[in-house]
Amino acid sequence: AQSVTQPDIHITVSEGASLELRCNYSYGATPYLFWYVQSPGQGLQLLLKYFSGDTLVQGIKGFEAEFKRSQSSFNLRKPSVHWSDAAEYFCAVLYNTDKLIFGTGTRLQVFP
Amino acid sequence: ETGVTQTPRHLVMGMTNKKSLKCEQHLGHNAMYWYKQSAKKPLELMFVYNFKEQTENNSVPSRFSPECPNSSHLFLHLHTLQPEDSALYLCASSRTSGEQYFGPGTRLTVT
Repeated sequence: AQSVTQPDIHITVSEGASLELRCNYSYGATPYLFWYVQSPGQGLQLLLKYFSGDTLVQGIKGFEAEFKRSQSSFNLRKPSVHWSDAAEYFCAVLYNTDKLIFGTGTRLQVFP
Repeated sequence: ETGVTQTPRHLVMGMTNKKSLKCEQHLGHNAMYWYKQSAKKPLELMFVYNFKEQTENNSVPSRFSPECPNSSHLFLHLHTLQPEDSALYLCASSRTSGEQYFGPGTRLTVT
């Protein structure tokens, strides 16, 4: 069955530090993968997507993610975190052309 | 106005009330979705509409009734809800096999 695992429920980093949020997926075919961010009381904003091609994808707000088929992973990275990046981050995989399966999310806290 | 809009943003209703949530997308997409987001649970897909036709009902109780009159509008009609239905309800839209764009959500509290 298709699934997405985000093993880190909560991550705390200092402003200016690098960040990596982990995401593992289970999907039989070539996956379409996404990262979304959600600020408190808001909807989800798309950060980046992977459909095919280059396995390192760039997104908005300085984020990037790398697709590693051998590890079934799609980890999100940012070289230097800003206080405004504090939010909840969701990894998702698309299946059957229109159904997103989400992970449980990782809450990011940023200390000054 | 651009993107995906949802109204109301907040709703408090009793268990015997009937209310409706509205979603509108201005992106020219053909598919629309309802999701439920509860605390400490993954986002749950509720319904999918593609070109106004319902293509997914993810075992949602009948007290939730969706309506999609056209590709730009989606409603979720609510009646005789339970307290455990309190959640953030998110609407999204997409092209087929494309990324989904989400609205800001409606925070529903059932008393």
